[in-house]
Amino acid sequence: GEDVEQSLFLSVREGDSSVINCTYTDSSSTYLYWYKQEPGAGLQLLTYIFSNMDMKQDQRLTVLLNKKDKHLSLRIADTQTGDSAIYFCAEKSFGGYQKVTFGTGTKLQVIP
Amino acid sequence: NAGVTQTPKFQVLKTGQSMTLQCAQDMNHEYMSWYRQDPGMGLRLIHYSVGAGITDQGEVPNGYNVSRSTTEDFPLRLLSAAPSQTSVYFCASSSGTGTNTGELFFGEGSRLTVL
Repeated sequence: GEDVEQSLFLSVREGDSSVINCTYTDSSSTYLYWYKQEPGAGLQLLTYIFSNMDMKQDQRLTVLLNKKDKHLSLRIADTQTGDSAIYFCAEKSFGGYQKVTFGTGTKLQVIP
Repeated sequence: NAGVTQTPKFQVLKTGQSMTLQCAQDMNHEYMSWYRQDPGMGLRLIHYSVGAGITDQGEVPNGYNVSRSTTEDFPLRLLSAAPSQTSVYFCASSSGTGTNTGELFFGEGSRLTVL
């Protein structure tokens, strides 16, 4: 089946850039997502990229997709303490329903 | 806007007890799903539904039942709770129509402890 992998933890200083990486195995992925989970809350979609795109920028967020290597990254510029959360990479397979596979999540700690 | 509502938020059960986690959405979404979140394992799909009257198994369905009698509601039943079912459970919904992005809308989660 599909597999999505992430490192479990990342620590950065406030003001620095954060880069969270993800690898996936499904070559038929249509959309790839980054979800954010704040403590005690559900997940919320942060950004997404369609599989035929290489890059997407949205304010402080930059998503890079290397489809050949099945590698997705999320860069957060000027990281703030409010960015501390768990970030989940996810991919949606091509198919008749919304099957989305999530990674293990990367806990981002921002040090003031 | 209510979105996806889960109840209860917290529950403690004894081994062998049964219970139902409730999930309701007010966005007229066709697709609804249940995930469990465990440390270091991310989110794993338990069951999902693509419309009223239609359900199917996900990655980890054993020990859980679901039903979908209405578009709005998708309850998750634990038939005989086991300590391995201690987890945080999330209900999520999505619009299944058209060329949408497949964004999942999540409830706030239900934290279940089985003693």
